[in-house]
Amino acid sequence: ETGVTQTPRHLVMGMTNKKSLKCEQHLGHNAMYWYKQSAKKPLELMFVYNFKEQTENNSVPSRFSPECPNSSHLFLHLHTLQPEDSALYLCASSQDPQTNQPQHFGDGTRLSIL
Amino acid sequence: QKEVEQNSGPLSVPEGAIASLNCTYSDRGSQSFFWYRQYSGKSPELIMFIYSNGDKEDGRFTAQLNKASQYVSLLIRDSQPSDSATYLCAVNPSGGGFKTIFGAGTRLFVKA
Repeated sequence: ETGVTQTPRHLVMGMTNKKSLKCEQHLGHNAMYWYKQSAKKPLELMFVYNFKEQTENNSVPSRFSPECPNSSHLFLHLHTLQPEDSALYLCASSQDPQTNQPQHFGDGTRLSIL
Repeated sequence: QKEVEQNSGPLSVPEGAIASLNCTYSDRGSQSFFWYRQYSGKSPELIMFIYSNGDKEDGRFTAQLNKASQYVSLLIRDSQPSDSATYLCAVNPSGGGFKTIFGAGTRLFVKA
């Protein structure tokens, strides 16, 4: 496995369900990110972890709960989501945000809320 | 509110022509600038990055940065139908890579 891997690729869930998105990076990077991409809108940065510590939470509703057990793995736990949360959720990683290195993205999870 | 602006397009160019994509940003303290290509249904893929004023060339791609005017552009020479995609401009503002801001993207269509 190389690069940034996200699972599942597609997820359909009801508003009362609980599910988790998983991201794994094989690039030896120190930082990991969650983004939300809705149709015709810019990528929205949700969370940033650097060396497993959360450094950014961009006013994300508490129904999204991130977890970063180590520098290679990142999860996004979902519960009681709303229809407007349907979007493409992208994970990215970079060497070190403070050195302005580019981010590398996974293929994303397409999330649909019924 | 720090912003990155791009023309949504679509920008249509004939095969073999030069495609010019532009991006402006609001934070004068921005430090690094990236261009990503995103095919429909796929994730963004890094094309170029530039940190200093001037031009940076990589194959058919040239990134141009003008910090005084707060714009960054991407030129694609000898455009191919396979270049048809959405191009995202991303900027690391004065807060560094913790707060990367993406533009909404410009859709490019290269006609064969």
